[in-house]
Amino acid sequence: AQSVTQLDSHVSVSEGTPVLLRCNYSSSYSPSLFWYVQHPNKGLQLLLKYTSAATLVKGINGFEAEFKKSETSFHLTKPSAHMSDAAEYFCVVSVRGGADGLTFGKGTHLIIQP
Amino acid sequence: SQTIHQWPATLVQPVGSPLSLECTVEGTSNPNLYWYRQAAGRGLQLLFYSVGIGQISSEVPQNLSASRPQDRQFILSSKKLLLSDSGFYLCAWTLIGLNTEAFFGQGTRLTVV
Repeated sequence: AQSVTQLDSHVSVSEGTPVLLRCNYSSSYSPSLFWYVQHPNKGLQLLLKYTSAATLVKGINGFEAEFKKSETSFHLTKPSAHMSDAAEYFCVVSVRGGADGLTFGKGTHLIIQP
Repeated sequence: SQTIHQWPATLVQPVGSPLSLECTVEGTSNPNLYWYRQAAGRGLQLLFYSVGIGQISSEVPQNLSASRPQDRQFILSSKKLLLSDSGFYLCAWTLIGLNTEAFFGQGTRLTVV
């Protein structure tokens, strides 16, 4: 079985300050991990993915995430928040093929203060 | 390149009316197709998935059904909508294989009144 825990339902940061969105996972096998972003009333857009290559993964819009197997974590970071980063972020784990192999976290709502 | 189309973007329907949401994928063959529902302030709930034409798996017993009449077409239906069917519905597809990411449509905001 696999599971994903996003440790914060809401995160608020000031524009220009760093962003940290936390994600922990559990799985019986080597996972693939993804971060998605969702703006209001929009679909989910892939930010980045880890699939057993480099543990530090760079994505779009300046985001990056580090896979830490010892901590079973895949936290999402950005050095400097922009107002346009305000959105819902989902951490997703996949450990097997098959159409139902994706497990989503419950999401973290990122608020950017001016 | 692959694209996914989902329509309509918004829908307001009375209780007891039927529903049909459509999703099509372009630029790929034999994708895995999914329907998710996202209730206000909550995560994604997988409703149905399909690995091929006519093959539908249901994750949650409910008032909805799905069909896949063509390889790249996925339809979500209901004969009689309930108030609890309101939500944001997302169609997605993945390639067949291990650990591939999902690609999402833009979603349909359904409000049952």
